[in-house]
Amino acid sequence: DTGVSQDPRHKITKRGQNVTFRCDPISEHNRLYWYRQTLGQGPEFLTYFQNEAQLEKSRLLSDRFSAERPKGSFSTLEIQRTEQGDSAMYLCASTYRGANTEAFFGQGTRLTVV
Amino acid sequence: GNSVTQMEGPVTLSEEAFLTINCTYTATGYPSLFWYVQYPGEGLQLLLKATKADDKGSNKGFEATYRKETTSFHLEKGSVQVSDSAVYFCALSASEGAQKLVFGQGTRLTINP
Repeated sequence: DTGVSQDPRHKITKRGQNVTFRCDPISEHNRLYWYRQTLGQGPEFLTYFQNEAQLEKSRLLSDRFSAERPKGSFSTLEIQRTEQGDSAMYLCASTYRGANTEAFFGQGTRLTVV
Repeated sequence: GNSVTQMEGPVTLSEEAFLTINCTYTATGYPSLFWYVQYPGEGLQLLLKATKADDKGSNKGFEATYRKETTSFHLEKGSVQVSDSAVYFCALSASEGAQKLVFGQGTRLTINP
C-alpha cells in the first residue's frame, strides 16, 4: 500500500465553478477525515466518515460543500459555486477506529480560486 | 472548545543547536497529544505522540512530555540537523467520539549549516 493518495494535487478554477477532489485512504482504514489548511495556519477539521457513514461535519462546511464515501472506500469532496475564500490546501487522512491510533495524511489538493 | 497554541515562528537555528518549540493546549477530558511534521513538498507525518499525563513521546531524537499540570507538550531536540528543517504542528485529539485532530498554527523551523 502506498499510503493515502489525493487527486488532483493542484486545481485552479474560476469563481463560481464546481470542483471535486478525490481521496483514496489506506485500504484497511475505516475512518477517513477531511481537513482544510490555509496559508500559515494549521489544518482545520471539516468532516469525517466511519466506513460509508458521515458522522460529523464542522461548522466550516457550508452548504456549498458536500462529501461522500460510497462503499466505505474512496471519498470525494465537492465544492459548488467556488469563492475566493475557498482557496486552500484540502487534506485527507485515514486511520483505524480506536483510541490514539495514528492518522496518515495524503499530500493534499491545493485549490486556487481566481 | 479544544484548542492548541504553539510558539510563533519562524525559528532559525544553527546546526547542532538545542531546539524547543512550545505548545500548550486547552481541552476537556483527557486528550492525546501529537507532534506532526511537514517537510517541504510532503504530507503531514506523525513525529511522536503521548496518550496520558507524564508520558514521553520520542522519535528521531525529538522528545515531548505530556504535562497535565501545565497543559503543555513542548517539543525538544538536543542537537538539530539541516534535515530537520520543516514545519512542526502540535495537535490534540479528544479521547472520545470522532477523535479528530485539533492543530496549532505550526512553527516553521530552518536549520543553517
